[in-house]
Amino acid sequence: QSVLTQPPSASGTPGQRVTISCSGSSSNIGSNTVNWYQQLPGTAPKLLIYSNNQRPSGVPDRFSGSKSGTSASLAISGLQSEDEADYYCAAWDDSLDVVFGGGTKLTVL
Amino acid sequence: QVQLVQSGSELKKPGASVKVSCKASGYTFTSYAMNWVRQAPGQGLEWMGWINTNTGNPTYAQGFTGRFVFSLDTSVSTAYLQISSLKAEDTAVYYCAVSRILVKFDYWGQGTLVTVSS
Repeated sequence: QSVLTQPPSASGTPGQRVTISCSGSSSNIGSNTVNWYQQLPGTAPKLLIYSNNQRPSGVPDRFSGSKSGTSASLAISGLQSEDEADYYCAAWDDSLDVVFGGGTKLTVL
Repeated sequence: QVQLVQSGSELKKPGASVKVSCKASGYTFTSYAMNWVRQAPGQGLEWMGWINTNTGNPTYAQGFTGRFVFSLDTSVSTAYLQISSLKAEDTAVYYCAVSRILVKFDYWGQGTLVTVSS
């Protein structure tokens, strides 16, 4: 049981916009920033979004993040086949641990 | 460019120990903290803790105390994860990942699969 709650799966067709939610509590998302990681099949995770809505260099602007209260969202616009991956949210929890969401498997139909 | 290269897959028997290495290159080793993250087969990511590469002081996440040890050899820019008294449930891919801010894991190693089986 992960501390942050994500839907196990999401899907969309090429060109569509898809959002993935991440729900937490006042001890994590409610008081700390959220990062998102993309894990392509068979590879290591990669930093996708940090500090709620910032993109590292090289990440396309099709990816965006937002946070409100104790929830956060990752949006992917102009969906492409290469976006098919697992996506994880993460935040610092005031219990002094980094907590991850359970992950969302994105399928591009 | 920053690279983290981890040691190869390991097959161990229950009760044995394993030591995973993570060799860093492309940056000053002490300018990033080193984190360890576990991913059990078909499961999500779990943060195991981190080690301060300047002081060598480790911090272990809840659930990763006792059998898990983080260490460094700064002379060769390498971090280590040692797991003792291995159990079947330790079977997982173990990743090293560097950060300047906790939770912001900027670069990751390729992962090391540790399989515990009799």
